[in-house]
Amino acid sequence: AQSVTQLDSQVPVFEEAPVELRCNYSSSVSVYLFWYVQYPNQGLQLLLKYLSGSTLVKGINGFEAEFNKSQTSFHLRKPSVHISDTAEYFCAVSDSDGGSQGNLIFGKGTKLSVKP
Amino acid sequence: SQTIHQWPATLVQPVGSPLSLECTVEGTSNPNLYWYRQAAGRGLQLLFYSVGIGQISSEVPQNLSASRPQDRQFILSSKKLLLSDSGFYLCAWSLGSSGNTIYFGEGSWLTVV
Repeated sequence: AQSVTQLDSQVPVFEEAPVELRCNYSSSVSVYLFWYVQYPNQGLQLLLKYLSGSTLVKGINGFEAEFNKSQTSFHLRKPSVHISDTAEYFCAVSDSDGGSQGNLIFGKGTKLSVKP
Repeated sequence: SQTIHQWPATLVQPVGSPLSLECTVEGTSNPNLYWYRQAAGRGLQLLFYSVGIGQISSEVPQNLSASRPQDRQFILSSKKLLLSDSGFYLCAWSLGSSGNTIYFGEGSWLTVV
């Protein structure tokens, strides 16, 4: 069975500062990894995903994440955040062998609060 | 392009009353359909998923049920709501294969009083 751990429940940062949101996963099989963003009272929107190939994945809104198989991590980064990045961010995993029908297992989320 | 709609957006229901949340997807065929629940501090919990009409898989035993009467329609129901059923419910769809993006609706807030 897979699981996802988001190490920080809340991350406060100042505008234009860099940010890293941490995500670790555990799985006995190869995985696909995702980051979603949720703005207040809305559904989730895909930021980026890793399927294969380059371990550095670039997504929307200037975010990127790096897959590290040895450390079973998929941390999300942005070099300079804006007030509008204030939201909750979810890391998710699915197995890559099709056994789960593509179902995603989500972490508990990290609330990013960007202050002026 | 594909769209997903779920309703109602907000619902306040007394304990013991029934529930029906509906979700429809447009612009695609034979999608996988999902119901997730989001409770404060607990992330997203997969409740049900469906790979086809009438095919429902339950991930967590509880007071809720799901049905898929048509290819692009997914309904979440309860006969008698509990206080613990309160939360933010999200319908979602994907093309089913691992690695495909799951697309979410705007969510429905359920408050059981």
